[in-house]
Amino acid sequence: DAGVIQSPRHEVTEMGQEVTLRCKPISGHDYLFWYRQTMMRGLELLIYFNNNVPIDDSGMPEDRFSAKMPNASFSTLKIQPSEPRDSAVYFCASSPRLVAGGRESGETQYFGPGTRLLVL
Amino acid sequence: KQEVTQIPAALSVPEGENLVLNCSFTDSAIYNLQWFRQDPGKGLTSLLLIQSSQREQTSGRLNASLDKSSGRSTLYIAASQPGDSATYLCAVFTGGFKTIFGAGTRLFVKA
Repeated sequence: DAGVIQSPRHEVTEMGQEVTLRCKPISGHDYLFWYRQTMMRGLELLIYFNNNVPIDDSGMPEDRFSAKMPNASFSTLKIQPSEPRDSAVYFCASSPRLVAGGRESGETQYFGPGTRLLVL
Repeated sequence: KQEVTQIPAALSVPEGENLVLNCSFTDSAIYNLQWFRQDPGKGLTSLLLIQSSQREQTSGRLNASLDKSSGRSTLYIAASQPGDSATYLCAVFTGGFKTIFGAGTRLFVKA
């Protein structure tokens, strides 16, 4: 398997522009996560999906951020309008399952290479 | 609110030395704890995952321990090599299916 695929790898845009980040999870994984990493705040969970359904979006910073997962093999994170403080590395991760034998146990998350976003 | 702290923030050691990275968390109600490695400009790679019912996990030169009651985990790296240079992140998987990451320990192993 090619692993989690993210595009673009780098994005430079001007303040006010719309930015769309894309993610293709590992085939067969039920969970998809979007993270943001900055020097100041470290790695933060923005939102996660289970079987294409958004489960928890409490980490999404503002209404300017939105995420969709139209099918099991594709997800987008959109920022509209973008601001300089959105500059960060955005990671997508997927996981095969988070419940095993009726007991929540957690499984390893597989991370993509990230999208480095710079908003000028 | 769950908080994860990693000490030290940075570490520089000569090649061949054994070392220990520390991770502490404030709420013991976790499902598992994971150690990740992040190379500059790259994504995260999972190294070890310890379920809440386990005490330790080993993979090659790496050994991770978990003491849930005290809210602590350690990552032991034996016979360090320059290729081990990276940032090591600890993460706890909590209720609500959230993963909380520490800020990481930046390791540099000198040849």
